[in-house]
Amino acid sequence: NAGVMQNPRHLVRRRGQEARLRCSPMKGHSHVYWYRQLPEEGLKFMVYLQKENIIDESGMPKERFSAEFPKEGPSILRIQQVVRGDSAAYFCASAGQNNQPQHFGDGTRLSIL
Amino acid sequence: AQSVSQHNHHVILSEAASLELGCNYSYGGTVNLFWYVQYPGQHLQLLLKYFSGDPLVKGIKGFEAEFIKSKFSFNLRKPSVQWSDTAEYFCAVSRASGNTPLVFGKGTRLSVIA
Repeated sequence: NAGVMQNPRHLVRRRGQEARLRCSPMKGHSHVYWYRQLPEEGLKFMVYLQKENIIDESGMPKERFSAEFPKEGPSILRIQQVVRGDSAAYFCASAGQNNQPQHFGDGTRLSIL
Repeated sequence: AQSVSQHNHHVILSEAASLELGCNYSYGGTVNLFWYVQYPGQHLQLLLKYFSGDPLVKGIKGFEAEFIKSKFSFNLRKPSVQWSDTAEYFCAVSRASGNTPLVFGKGTRLSVIA
C-alpha cells in the first residue's frame, strides 16, 4: 500500500512566482490535511479538505494561499506571489473515516530565493 | 483554542537510559492524543495514540504514554533508549469528535549517544 505521496520533495522559487504542492492521499482515505512547519517550530495546521470540499481553512493565510482536492487527482496547495517567509516544509496528511489517525507524507521543502 | 506544550526542546541521553518526554495540552473538551516521531530525513510516523479506555497506552518500538486527565498531560516514556531512537518527537491533540485537525507541540529533539 502506497503511503501519502507528496511532490515535489524540494521546490525552489523566486519571489513573486507561484508554488504548487501536490498530495495524493493513502488509498481509501478521503480526508486531507495540510500543515506547515517553520524552522524550530512544530507543525501548524493550515487547511482540511474532503473531496471537492474545504472543511476547515482556519489556519490558512487569507491572501495568496489556496487549496483544493478535486474529485479526480491529488490535492493541491497553491501559493501565489511567494515571499521569503513562505520558506518552510509543507506536510500533507490523510485519514480514513471514523476519526482514524492521520498518516503523513514526506513533505515538500519550499525554498524562496 | 487548543494548545500543546512540550517542555523539553532538546534531550540528550546515553544508550540504555530511561526516557520521559513531557506533554501538556489545554482544551476543555474531550480529546484524542498522539505522539509522532520524525527520524532524520523522514516523514512523521505515529508512535501511539489515545482515544479512550486504558490511560496507559503502548506504542511501537517499546514506547508508552500515560494520559493523566487531571493534569492535562500525556507524557511519553521508554525504559531503555537506543541510538536508533534519535529523532524528533511531537505530541499532538485533536478534538475527539470527527476527523478534526491536529494541534502539535513544538517538538522535542532526542539525541541518544553511545
